[in-house]
Order: sequence, then C-alpha cells, then structure tokens
Amino acid sequence: ETGVTQTPRHLVMGMTNKKSLKCEQHLGHNAMYWYKQSAKKPLELMFVYNFKEQTENNSVPSRFSPECPNSSHLFLHLHTLQPEDSALYLCASSLRGGAYEQYFGPGTRLTVT
Amino acid sequence: TQLLEQSPQFLSIQEGENLTVYCNSSSVFSSLQWYRQEPGEGPVLLVTVVTGGEVKKLKRLTFQFGDARKDSSLHITAAQPGDTGLYLCAGEKAKSSSNYKLTFGKGTLLTVNP
Repeated sequence: ETGVTQTPRHLVMGMTNKKSLKCEQHLGHNAMYWYKQSAKKPLELMFVYNFKEQTENNSVPSRFSPECPNSSHLFLHLHTLQPEDSALYLCASSLRGGAYEQYFGPGTRLTVT
Repeated sequence: TQLLEQSPQFLSIQEGENLTVYCNSSSVFSSLQWYRQEPGEGPVLLVTVVTGGEVKKLKRLTFQFGDARKDSSLHITAAQPGDTGLYLCAGEKAKSSSNYKLTFGKGTLLTVNP
C-alpha cells in the first residue's frame, strides 16, 4: 500500500453508537492530521499530531477522541455523535507539522442517524 | 470571517475553454498551496507557491502568487473533462516562529463538459 489510507470509507452510525476511524500513512511522515469537510464549509482542521504528540486541538467537542500510537497510525474515536457531525472526515500527513505539504487520504463519509 | 475567499464558487465550462479561479485574503501567507479534490476522494496537492509574484506551471495549469502574498490565481488553458473537480487553496500562516497553520478556502467546483 502507498500513500495515506483510511478505513472505513463509509460509516453509518446511530447517536448512541461508538465507532472508530483509522488512518495509516506509508510515506515516512512524522505529522498527521484530522480534518472535517462539510458541505458549503471550508476544510476544518480538528487535530494535529507531530511525532506522536498532539500539538493542536481546534476546539473539537469531546465526543471526538483522537489517538496516535505511532507516527504511521492515527485513529478518531467517536461516541454519542450528533446528526450535524455527519461529514467527510479526512486524514492527512506531512513530513513534519506546520509548513510542509500535506498528503490526504480518501476520507471516511460519516452519516449519523 | 472567511480567511481565504475563493471565486467563483461554481464554474461550468465546455471542453477547450480557458478559465481562471481566484483565492483572495486580507492576510499575508508565508506560502500558499493549491489542491484538487475529485468526488469521493481526498484533496491532492498540485503546487506550492512561496515567493511573492511567483508563477508556476504544471502542464496546462498556471499558478500565480500575488506580489503581497495575499492572493493567488489558477489559470487553466484548454480545459479537459479530466480537470473537473473541487479546487482548494490553502494558506500557510505562522502562529509563532515554530508553529504554522494551514487554512483552507471553500473551494471552486469546476465542471468541464465534453
């Protein structure tokens, strides 16, 4: 596998469910990101991890819980979500955090019912 | 407040036509990136511009960074259906000397009809 992969590609969950999104990068990068993409809104940065340490939490509600066990893997744990959380969740990686070009995965299309 | 304004929001043209899309801000950016996103996929980086006034070409695509590093344009010559997608600009802004943040515009959705 090459680049940035995300699983699952599609997820439908109820508001009381708990689920996790997974991201894996095969680029040897040290920074990983979670973004939320909603219709008619710019890409919203959620979390940044640089060398496994969280360096940015962009005021994200606690029902979203990230985990970065190593520089190649990133998870987003979801619980008690709201319908307005339905969106495309994109993972990205870059060589290091900050002023480096980002490489995105294909995203997980999340629908909260 | 939208930090990066992209225009137009939607553009539908015929194959072979030329087009320009814009990315404007009142803020100065240390660099600016352009991405293209196809339906069901993540954004793919096209180019990064760093120097004010810089022009970069990628086949039929020409990218320009404004002299003041507040705006950028993307010009496509002889558009093809394969150019269809959402074009996103993203500005790199320094929060501190060691902490930079990438801010995205809403994008221009381009449709090139055969």
